[in-house]
Amino acid sequence: AQSVTQLDSQVPVFEEAPVELRCNYSSSVSVYLFWYVQYPNQGLQLLLKYLSGSTLVKGINGFEAEFNKSQTSFHLRKPSVHISDTAEYFCAVSRMNRDDKIIFGKGTRLHILP
Amino acid sequence: DAGVTQSPTHLIKTRGQQVTLRCSPISGHKSVSWYQQVLGQGPQFIFQYYEKEERGRGNFPDRFSARQFPNYSSELNVNALLLGDSALYLCASSPPRNTEAFFGQGTRLTVV
Repeated sequence: AQSVTQLDSQVPVFEEAPVELRCNYSSSVSVYLFWYVQYPNQGLQLLLKYLSGSTLVKGINGFEAEFNKSQTSFHLRKPSVHISDTAEYFCAVSRMNRDDKIIFGKGTRLHILP
Repeated sequence: DAGVTQSPTHLIKTRGQQVTLRCSPISGHKSVSWYQQVLGQGPQFIFQYYEKEERGRGNFPDRFSARQFPNYSSELNVNALLLGDSALYLCASSPPRNTEAFFGQGTRLTVV
């Protein structure tokens, strides 16, 4: 079985400062990794995904994440946040090459301070 | 191309009633999944259908059921509603091998 742990439930950060949202996963098989963002009262939007290849993945809105297989981590980073980045961020995994469910973490709420 | 569409967007039901939620996937996607998102939590997997067959079921009671139609749209049914069923219900469609899930805006169900 797979599981996802998001280590911080809330992260406050000043506008234009860098941010890192942490994610660790557990799986006995190879997985795909995802970060989704959810703005208030909306569905989920994909920020970025790791399927294979380069461990540094770039996504939309200036976000990037690095896959670290030895530490089973997939931390999300942005060098300079904007007030519009205020949202809930979810890390997720699914088994590779399978038409299968996606397992989500509990989410990290990003608070941007003026 | 239209994204994943869900209807209705909001719904209020009374305890004990039954509800049907609907989802239309992105054109060409044969896989549809349903998730329940309780306030303050991540989405929890309920069902997955692929080519009209159930491929997976999460840890939900038998009050929850779903089906997929020949055009790949899907319905989620919940019987004998409980207060705890109040949540955002999300539908997602995926291309083959599940390399990405595209989510709809969700249906906000409130049980009173």
